[in-house]
Amino acid sequence: NAGVMQNPRHLVRRRGQEARLRCSPMKGHSHVYWYRQLPEEGLKFMVYLQKENIIDESGMPKERFSAEFPKEGPSILRIQQVVRGDSAAYFCASSPWKGMNTEAFFGQGTRLTVV
Amino acid sequence: LAKTTQPISMDSYEGQEVNITCSHNNIATNDYITWYQQFPSQGPRFIIQGYKTKVTNEVASLFIPADRKSSTLSLPRVSLSDTAVYYCLVVFSGGYQKVTFGTGTKLQVIP
Repeated sequence: NAGVMQNPRHLVRRRGQEARLRCSPMKGHSHVYWYRQLPEEGLKFMVYLQKENIIDESGMPKERFSAEFPKEGPSILRIQQVVRGDSAAYFCASSPWKGMNTEAFFGQGTRLTVV
Repeated sequence: LAKTTQPISMDSYEGQEVNITCSHNNIATNDYITWYQQFPSQGPRFIIQGYKTKVTNEVASLFIPADRKSSTLSLPRVSLSDTAVYYCLVVFSGGYQKVTFGTGTKLQVIP
């Protein structure tokens, strides 16, 4: 059973471009959480999704950021018109049920660099 | 949401036992204490979770006093590979509640 897969591992974008980050949850997991981590800081919650539904997006910036978790395929975190301040590591976690419980697993993250 | 407080950093020599204490004064009845470990350039990894008294697994022990306002993660005989950031979280067991990681404790193991 493969772990949580995130791709790409590293992404470089110029200011103004779009960034698409993908997260394939573990098999059987229908709950996905996205977190952002700035250097030397903890992980900040962004959004929680179940299949086809956004449950909690209270941590997501109101503009330029969006997330989806379609019925088929990976969860996508999309950042439009990226700015230097978006440079960070983005992690997703998946779990088989609600909540950050013992069965929640994180991916290796995508490191976004905006130049 | 229960707030947690833990030391920013700790140093330890190889082979020593390391204890990292976390304060969570406003923990609620349905909350569990959960610890994660994060190595550089990797996602956090679950270490241990407990509700009260003592929990032990192959990696660590977790001590929780009766009032549950604090907890201590104990790592026996650390090695260089235990150098990582350790996060203490309070996780709601009754369903979904947003979880945000603090800055954690950066443990540096010295040869």
